[in-house]
Amino acid sequence: QKEVEQDPGPLSVPEGAIVSLNCTYSNSAFQYFMWYRQYSRKGPELLMYTYSSGNKEDGRFTAQVDKSSKYISLFIRDSQPSDSATYLCAMRGAFGNAGNMLTFGGGTRLMVKP
Amino acid sequence: GAVVSQHPSWVICKSGTSVKIECRSLDFQATTMFWYRQFPKQSLMLMATSNEGSKATYEQGVEKDKFLINHASLTLSTLTVTSAHPEDSSFYICSASLDLLNTEAFFGQGTRLTVV
Repeated sequence: QKEVEQDPGPLSVPEGAIVSLNCTYSNSAFQYFMWYRQYSRKGPELLMYTYSSGNKEDGRFTAQVDKSSKYISLFIRDSQPSDSATYLCAMRGAFGNAGNMLTFGGGTRLMVKP
Repeated sequence: GAVVSQHPSWVICKSGTSVKIECRSLDFQATTMFWYRQFPKQSLMLMATSNEGSKATYEQGVEKDKFLINHASLTLSTLTVTSAHPEDSSFYICSASLDLLNTEAFFGQGTRLTVV
């Protein structure tokens, strides 16, 4: 079993829809949670990061972390065709716990159709 | 956000030759950089952690003699794929972070290596 599980998709939605992307994990030591967007043949771009449980909002993006369920989500409101990309979740433990390495999910490919 | 520049963005080389990939943090100093490999439609696989002024730390299964890492300064790390073979063809990505916690890791644009 992978440490971080993420549905690979593809997830196809119409423009304007609310998108929900999710990851589950097994390591209770993870405390920092990130979401990256990766366009084809490009490096990942950091969208948001959160510490421990709770919500964080940035524009059309909202990140949620539920540590009790070991479940994190990224919501995209008013989705646009330019949001079409692969979304990767990543997480890591506290400093000193397995160093500062990130553990990535496999990525979910999102397609927003005009 | 911070900028990490990776060069070249793509390279084609012959089997048996060596290829060097550069990763630079343009507007900040990075004590630690990370090198990843990504196969098509798969996630990033950490290859090694590059530490400025000391030896890199390699992940299990990654050959240190094949993937040479040099972190000569706080803004530059290089990955050299030695004696490349077609199975080394992949997308290589580096990352660097503003802080020791690696909370906000910024990635280079990646290098697509094709070995023919």
